[in-house]
Amino acid sequence: AQKITQTQPGMFVQEKEAVTLDCTYDTSDQSYGLFWYKQPSSGEMIFLIYQGSYDEQNATEGRYSLNFQKARKSANLVISASQLGDSAMYFCAMSPPEGGTSYGKLTFGQGTILTVHP
Amino acid sequence: DVKVTQSSRYLVKRTGEKVFLECVQDMDHENMFWYRQDPGLGLRLIYFSYDVKMKEKGDIPEGYSVSREKKERFSLILESASTNQTSMYLCASSALGAGVFNEQFFGPGTRLTVL
Repeated sequence: AQKITQTQPGMFVQEKEAVTLDCTYDTSDQSYGLFWYKQPSSGEMIFLIYQGSYDEQNATEGRYSLNFQKARKSANLVISASQLGDSAMYFCAMSPPEGGTSYGKLTFGQGTILTVHP
Repeated sequence: DVKVTQSSRYLVKRTGEKVFLECVQDMDHENMFWYRQDPGLGLRLIYFSYDVKMKEKGDIPEGYSVSREKKERFSLILESASTNQTSMYLCASSALGAGVFNEQFFGPGTRLTVL
């Protein structure tokens, strides 16, 4: 079974600073995917970034990067140059290998609330 | 613009009522999911469906049922609502055969309160 752990219930960062949100995972699968989603106070889930387990380079999407350390089973999200609009809940999630009975299911962590101070 | 819609943003029901939460996607996705979100617990999978009329239990199916009569529509049913089902309910969809990059697209959520 897959498990995602986000140990930071809340994080604070100053505007324009960088922040790292932690995510560790547990799986016996060799092939898997790791996702980060953002959930503003309005409630919708916004996909931010994805990393495949066989990708050798860390994923980047604009101000978001994923610090993937496979041996440590961690997939931390780094947000550079934080903005007030980054204040939200952030979820780390994991996908199983394709096939079998996976049907595209994702396993989510508990979430981290990020607050950006002006 | 791809979209997943949910029938209500806010819903208040009485204990014992039968509650229907509707979800519609316009992306022709095979997979659809229902989650509930509670503080400190993240998103927990209630049920999912990979085809019309097909459904599978997720991690917390007790007290819920689902229906998928058409590919674009996935309904969550609370047969007899209870106060411990007060929660945020999120619907999502994803395409079949996307490999491990099976991004899920989410609806705006329904905040259900059971009194």
